[in-house]
Amino acid sequence: DAGITQSPRHKVTETGTPVTLRCHQTENHRYMYWYRQDPGHGLRLIHYSYGVKDTDKGEVSDGYSVSRSKTEDFLLTLESATSSQTSVYFCASGTSGTDTQYFGPGTRLTVL
Amino acid sequence: KQEVTQIPAALSVPEGENLVLNCSFTDSAIYNLQWFRQDPGKGLTSLLLIQSSQREQTSGRLNASLDKSSGRSTLYIAASQPGDSATYLCAVRPGDQGAQKLVFGQGTRLTINP
Repeated sequence: DAGITQSPRHKVTETGTPVTLRCHQTENHRYMYWYRQDPGHGLRLIHYSYGVKDTDKGEVSDGYSVSRSKTEDFLLTLESATSSQTSVYFCASGTSGTDTQYFGPGTRLTVL
Repeated sequence: KQEVTQIPAALSVPEGENLVLNCSFTDSAIYNLQWFRQDPGKGLTSLLLIQSSQREQTSGRLNASLDKSSGRSTLYIAASQPGDSATYLCAVRPGDQGAQKLVFGQGTRLTINP
């Protein structure tokens, strides 16, 4: 399995506070992704990156920003958390050749 | 917009049975289709990936088929075991998207009873 870690694994925060989730991969994968998983919606793509400093929006990007300053790290920031952003967040990475995505263990975020 | 549907949402069968999970997608213009497994509280693990030019892929007791023209895929699990209990998700990569964007179904929660 690809080495993908996410931190923190659990977080509880209050509405209006900024939150940053970190994804770290040790596979030198070019592509990295952030998804959220919600009951009734499945997994939805928030943002993705196709290289250092190269990012693009996914299906549900409003309220989220990302940064990738190094190949191994992909950060997801909620500038001002809202209760609708309570979810489980998954990071994934992959190479351009195989099309397989490798997923991290997830971060459970609760916004009160 | 591509949509992926998995029916049923949940399935419970006795150990040893062969079973089929279904996945349908609305736009046949796909690059590939993947089946993932998700255990409670864990991330997703890729099981099988079928390219659009392929009809099926096999891995051990798992066999996935793809009928692109009808917008359907099935995951066949032979001789089911309690360890197969998990949620199984289907995902397609739309043919007009780059960067491996995936569109997921909502999954089928499978329970294998000893």
